Amino acid sequence: KAGVTQTPRYLIKTRGQQVTLSCSPISGHRSVSWYQQTPGQGLQFLFEYFSETQRNKGNFPGRFSGRQFSNSRSEMNVSTLELGDSALYLCASSHGTGGAGVAYEQYFGPGTRLTVT
Amino acid sequence: AQSVTQPDIHITVSEGASLELRCNYSYGATPYLFWYVQSPGQGLQLLLKYFSGDTLVQGIKGFEAEFKRSQSSFNLRKPSVHWSDAAEYFCAVKEYGNKLVFGAGTILRVKS
Repeated sequence: KAGVTQTPRYLIKTRGQQVTLSCSPISGHRSVSWYQQTPGQGLQFLFEYFSETQRNKGNFPGRFSGRQFSNSRSEMNVSTLELGDSALYLCASSHGTGGAGVAYEQYFGPGTRLTVT
Repeated sequence: AQSVTQPDIHITVSEGASLELRCNYSYGATPYLFWYVQSPGQGLQLLLKYFSGDTLVQGIKGFEAEFKRSQSSFNLRKPSVHWSDAAEYFCAVKEYGNKLVFGAGTILRVKS
């Protein structure tokens, strides 16, 4: 099976612009989660989508948004980019969404390196 | 909210030596725990997980981890380190849904 793919791998944007990142999960996986990784804050959860619905959201401003399509592919969008948005954005796919007493393995893509200048 | 502590930011071991990376978590109920490894410029690769049952879990690349509820720990071990194991290692605990809360990571250096 092909792994999680993310496009583009590298991106350079200017402050104030917006950006859209894409994630294609492993075939058959219906949950996609997004994380931001920075040297200062580490790995932080952005949001999770399952069956086209946002199931969970991290503590990020409303400039960060996402969506999931019927084929489980997901996109995240960042509007009005700030210098602090420079980071590695990782998505992870999972067969299902964990609930109380339920957990699934999550598999990560290679990430999109976003640089804001 | 759950939290994960990895007390060691950097660890250096000699090739062939044993390795133990520490992880402590804060969680009220039985946790779901993971170890991931990240090579420079790459995504995260799942090494192993603990969901329930046997407290000693085996993973890929010869790694194992032991869940100790009394110590709130989930330490990662490998009996003999290879130069290719040099990377950053992250411990994580599942929170609500599929949300993972990660530790700050431990950078492993392997000296020959």
